[in-house]
Order: sequence, then structure tokens, then C-alpha cells
Amino acid sequence: ETGVTQTPRHLVMGMTNKKSLKCEQHLGHNAMYWYKQSAKKPLELMFVYSLEERVENNSVPSRFSPECPNSSHLFLHLHTLQPEDSALYLCASSQDQWARDTQYFGPGTRLTVL
Amino acid sequence: AQKITQTQPGMFVQEKEAVTLDCTYDTSDPSYGLFWYKQPSSGEMIFLIYQGSYDQQNATEGRYSLNFQKARKSANLVISASQLGDSAMYFCAMRDGRGSNYKLTFGKGTLLTVNP
Repeated sequence: ETGVTQTPRHLVMGMTNKKSLKCEQHLGHNAMYWYKQSAKKPLELMFVYSLEERVENNSVPSRFSPECPNSSHLFLHLHTLQPEDSALYLCASSQDQWARDTQYFGPGTRLTVL
Repeated sequence: AQKITQTQPGMFVQEKEAVTLDCTYDTSDPSYGLFWYKQPSSGEMIFLIYQGSYDQQNATEGRYSLNFQKARKSANLVISASQLGDSAMYFCAMRDGRGSNYKLTFGKGTLLTVNP
């Protein structure tokens, strides 16, 4: 495996379900990110982890809970979601958090909340 | 205020022709990075090209080049010799900030359609 992988690629869940999104990067990067992409809206940064420490929580509702057990893995735990949370969730990683560090994205998880 | 502005919601180009996708940005930081990404219908965000604020030359990567005009705060993407596979959403993004709080801000994107 190379680059950034995400599983599952598609997820349908009810409002009372609990599920988790997984992201893994094989690039040796120190920073990882979760983004949300809703229809007709720019990408929204949700969380940033640098060296496994959360450095940014962009006013995200508590029904989204991130976890970064090591520098290669990032999870997004979901519980009691709302239909408006349906979106494409993208994971990214970068070497560090400097301005010139390129973020490389995974293929995304397309989430539908019923 | 919007930090990244892409004024073209959609663009059409004939195969083998060149196309320019516009991007203007706003920042007061002297150090920043500008990025272009391609997003096909499959959803993956694919990195195309990077331009640093202190770079003297315009960035080029294969068929992609960035027309960087710092005084105008514009960073237009030029795709030469368009191919059918270039049909996708294209996003301009900027990373600025201070200390460890650099954030990547995306524009709303331009949908490029390459016609045969």
C-alpha cells in the first residue's frame, strides 16, 4: 500500500448507529487531517493532529470524535449523526505543518446518514 | 472575507487545447504556499502543483504550470494540451498562518469539462 488509504469507501448509517472511519498513511508524515466536503461547499477542516497530538479542533460537534493512536493511523468515530452530516470525509497527511508542506489526500469515505 | 476566490464555476475546453483556471487569494502573511488539486468524480483529491510565496520562478509540473502574479495575488493554473481525463473539479488552496497553526484553505472549485 502506498499513499493515504481510507476505509470504508462508502458508509450508510442510521442516526442511532456508531461507526468509525479509518485512515492510514504510508508516507512517514507527522501531521494528519480530517476534512468534510459537503455538496456545493468548500472543504472544511475538522481536525488536525501533529505527532499524534490534536492541535486543531475546528468547532466540530462532539458527535464526531477523532483518535490518533500513532502517526500512521487516524480514526473518526461517529455517533448519533444527523442527516446533514452526510458528506465526503477526506483524510490527508503532510510531512509537517509548515506552509510549504503539501497535504496528500486519501480517496475519501462517502457517508450517508439516514 | 474569502481567502481563496475561484470565479469560474465551470469551464469548457477542446481536447488538445490549453486552458487557464483562475485563482485569487488574500493573505497578510509574507510566507504562504499555494496549491492546486484535482478531484475527479471518484472523490480523491489529487495534488497537482505547488508555489511558494518566495519562489522566484513559476512552478511547472508536466502539463501543469502556475501563473503566479504576487502583486495581483493571483495563482492561475494553466493546463496545456488538455486530455479527456482532465475533466474534473479543480481546487485552488492556500496555506498560511503562524507558528504551528498553518491551515489549508480551499476555494469553491472550478468544474473543467474537456470536449473531444
